Amino acid sequence: SQQGEEDPQALSIQEGENATMNCSYKTSINNLQWYRQNSGRGLVHLILIRSNEREKHSGRLRVTLDTSKKSSSLLITASRAADTASYFCATDPTLRGFKTIFGAGTRLFVKA
Amino acid sequence: KAGVTQTPRYLIKTRGQQVTLSCSPISGHRSVSWYQQTPGQGLQFLFEYFSETQRNKGNFPGRFSGRQFSNSRSEMNVSTLELGDSALYLCASSRSGTGHEQYFGPGTRLTVT
Repeated sequence: SQQGEEDPQALSIQEGENATMNCSYKTSINNLQWYRQNSGRGLVHLILIRSNEREKHSGRLRVTLDTSKKSSSLLITASRAADTASYFCATDPTLRGFKTIFGAGTRLFVKA
Repeated sequence: KAGVTQTPRYLIKTRGQQVTLSCSPISGHRSVSWYQQTPGQGLQFLFEYFSETQRNKGNFPGRFSGRQFSNSRSEMNVSTLELGDSALYLCASSRSGTGHEQYFGPGTRLTVT
């Protein structure tokens, strides 16, 4: 079954606004990662948050992790048109035999 | 330093044929993973190789296979192609494995007709 699931599936905002995407997962994890993918290209790693961390920042990105709720959120502040892309969360499960699984992604469209 | 490269970038094959895709990881990275991305199924893990050994495998039929060479370059092979194999195949390299930061290549777009 799907380990990471993002919501919303799609998000359209104006340049300058903040964008928040959420990710839920089902099993215990070692860490959770967020990636960005521009139309039909390879993914770019954005940020990794470990299971013992609650919040992490990188530039305009803020990621939170709530292991009790098995959820994470990615906040992009002061969005730009160049942030238009699909965003995926990927979980690294602790259970042996489980593999890193990517969610279905959130498509973000930032209007100039 | 050079990024992950994948060849070819685009490929058109006929149902029943086989195909081999190639991936060259970032220098020093020993882990190479392969993913299939389709609009319907999203990004699905195929397998991971680390130091020439398959370390993990996704839920794909045996028609999908791979290998890794001593220089960490990896190949993925799909035999007896089906229409549903049409997808973007992404390769990712990492120093330690899929649970760590992965660097993705641009992908190979495979179309099966």
